[in-house]
Amino acid sequence: GAVVSQHPSRVICKSGTSVKIECRSLDFQATTMFWYRQFPKQSLMLMATSNEGSKATYEQGVEKDKFLINHASLTLSTLTVTSAHPEDSSFYICSARSVGYNSPLHFGNGTRLTVT
Amino acid sequence: KNEVEQSPQNLTAQEGEFITINCSYSVGISALHWLQQHPGGGIVSLFMLSSGKKKHGRLIATINIQEKHSSLHITASHPRDSAVYICAAPRTTSGTYKYIFGTGTRLKVLA
Repeated sequence: GAVVSQHPSRVICKSGTSVKIECRSLDFQATTMFWYRQFPKQSLMLMATSNEGSKATYEQGVEKDKFLINHASLTLSTLTVTSAHPEDSSFYICSARSVGYNSPLHFGNGTRLTVT
Repeated sequence: KNEVEQSPQNLTAQEGEFITINCSYSVGISALHWLQQHPGGGIVSLFMLSSGKKKHGRLIATINIQEKHSSLHITASHPRDSAVYICAAPRTTSGTYKYIFGTGTRLKVLA
C-alpha cells in the first residue's frame, strides 16, 4: 500500500485564490520531504526541500512567498500555492524519506492543479 | 551535459520483448534509484541499488559504480509496463540533500 499519501489528487481553483496540498507519510517518519513540479512530458523539477521543524530550502527561481511550505511534523508537509494564477497550473508531487543517506524514497500520487 | 542521462528517451516495444533502459551519471553517488511513473502521474520506486544486481519479478536492475552506469531490464514485457522510467541519483550539495533525476524513458509496449 501507499506509504506517502498526497491530497487532493486534483483541484480546480479560481485565479487569485490559494490552494493547499498535503503530503503525509503513513508508516515512517519523514525527516525530509521534497516538493516537485512537473510539466507535461518533462522530468521532475525540484521546488523545495523541507526538513521537519525547520524552514524549507527553495531552489533558485522558486518564489518562497508564493509556494509556502510547512513541515510541522514528521508525518506531514504542506504546500500552499498562494494567489494562484493560470501559469501555476501544473502537476505537483511530493516525496519523503527518513534518515540515512541510502534511505528509500517514497512518492505521493501527485496533485493536478488547474487554475482558471 | 546533465549529471544524470538516460537513454533512450522513447521506446516502443512489442509485447514479450526484452527491454533495456540505460542511465549514466557523472556525480559521485553511493546508490541509484529507478522509478516508474504511470500515465496518471503517480511514481513508484522500483529499485534502490548501490552495487551489483537486483531483481523483482520481471524487472532487473544493475549498476556499475566504477563505470557510473546503471541499466533497467524488463523481461517478457507487457502493455501494463508502459510508463515513464526515471533514474535518480541522491547527492549532497552545500549540505543540502537532494536527488538528481534523469529525463526519463517513455516506454510503450504494444499488445
